[in-house]
Amino acid sequence: EADIYQTPRYLVIGTGKKITLECSQTMGHDKMYWYQQDPGMELHLIHYSYGVNSTEKGDLSSESTVSRIRTEHFPLTLESARPSHTSQYLCASSPRTGGAGFENTEAFFGQGTRLTVV
Amino acid sequence: QKEVEQDPGPLSVPEGAIVSLNCTYSNSAFQYFMWYRQYSRKGPELLMYTYSSGNKEDGRFTAQVDKSSKYISLFIRDSQPSDSATYLCAMRGTNAGKSTFGDGTTLTVKP
Repeated sequence: EADIYQTPRYLVIGTGKKITLECSQTMGHDKMYWYQQDPGMELHLIHYSYGVNSTEKGDLSSESTVSRIRTEHFPLTLESARPSHTSQYLCASSPRTGGAGFENTEAFFGQGTRLTVV
Repeated sequence: QKEVEQDPGPLSVPEGAIVSLNCTYSNSAFQYFMWYRQYSRKGPELLMYTYSSGNKEDGRFTAQVDKSSKYISLFIRDSQPSDSATYLCAMRGTNAGKSTFGDGTTLTVKP
């Protein structure tokens, strides 16, 4: 079982609200990712981080922000939720190096947060 | 056109069948190739990870990469009902910051 946790698992929220999706991992991984996944569709990268104080934008980053103040914590914030944000949000992590090769993958995913904006 | 195209499915097979899941890609820079399994309402789980061309076997699972044809496959032998899930292929280039994923193939193994 991967030690990467996302909260909440399910969230229903009204349009215009500010929300933060939490992601924590206890494996000491440097790399962390946020992906958005709609049913039957590919995963789209929102943001990623190589370590503390490092964040990079992905393909769908324009309406959200992330921070990486601690290695284990990588929260995603939507400043103003819209119905188009309704989706599943997945957090993932991988080590920077380690010999297993996992540094070149999204090695571990959390259970996901299913967000519904009404 | 997408960089990664995955056989859409859905795929339904009887228990014990050999399953072949496939992806093609267009970016010749891809060097790392992954297969993930995703159960309903769960996050993806890394199943197989391969660098460059060749085969890799892990129990009932075999990952195959043919870089000359830009084609990867995942074979599942003696399929079980517990293999019923969506399978995602993914790949990335050297020093790439992120992977490119296929849309997934949903597999159902019937007892």
